[in-house]
Amino acid sequence: EAGVTQSPTHLIKTRGQQATLRCSPISGHTSVYWYQQALGLGLQFLLWYDEGEERNRGNFPPRFSGRQFPNYSSELNVNALELEDSALYLCASSPTGQNTEAFFGQGTRLTVV
Amino acid sequence: RKEVEQDPGPFNVPEGATVAFNCTYSNSASQSFFWYRQDCRKEPKLLMSVYSSGNEDGRFTAQLNRASQYISLLIRDSKLSDSATYLCVVISGGYQKVTFGIGTKLQVIP
Repeated sequence: EAGVTQSPTHLIKTRGQQATLRCSPISGHTSVYWYQQALGLGLQFLLWYDEGEERNRGNFPPRFSGRQFPNYSSELNVNALELEDSALYLCASSPTGQNTEAFFGQGTRLTVV
Repeated sequence: RKEVEQDPGPFNVPEGATVAFNCTYSNSASQSFFWYRQDCRKEPKLLMSVYSSGNEDGRFTAQLNRASQYISLLIRDSKLSDSATYLCVVISGGYQKVTFGIGTKLQVIP
């Protein structure tokens, strides 16, 4: 069974540009979580999507946004990129309604120059 | 108060030492608990589940204290390869929201 897949694995953008990161959850998982992990720092919660709706949002500015598609895959968009947006962006998926663990993708490393 | 709180560390311990991490959670109705391990520049991976009766896997023991709303992870006889960040995870609510702690960094030194 395929795990959580994220694309691209690496992304280099210049300040002010927009970045789009993609996540495909494990088949059957309806919840997708996005986290930012800057170098040397812990996981910072960004967004939670479930059944196509945004359920919760972390303490990030509005230029961080996303969506979940009918097939439960998800996109994270970051507008007006700033240097401090450089980080590893991790996506995790879990099935709704079951008390089971979440599974992570390998992440997208975004570098803003 | 944060939903899930962990001491970010770092915890620097010598090889062979016993080290324990705690993680507190705010939602008393939380249903499930897990510990994850994250190696440098890699994604977090499940280490073990946490049950009310406690859970042991080799040198690792996880426990849940519902009354005080915390979970713990005990590592005995630390190895250099245990160096990693350990994240606690709490599942709660009708939608089974998954909440990760910020992670505790462990560095085992020779």
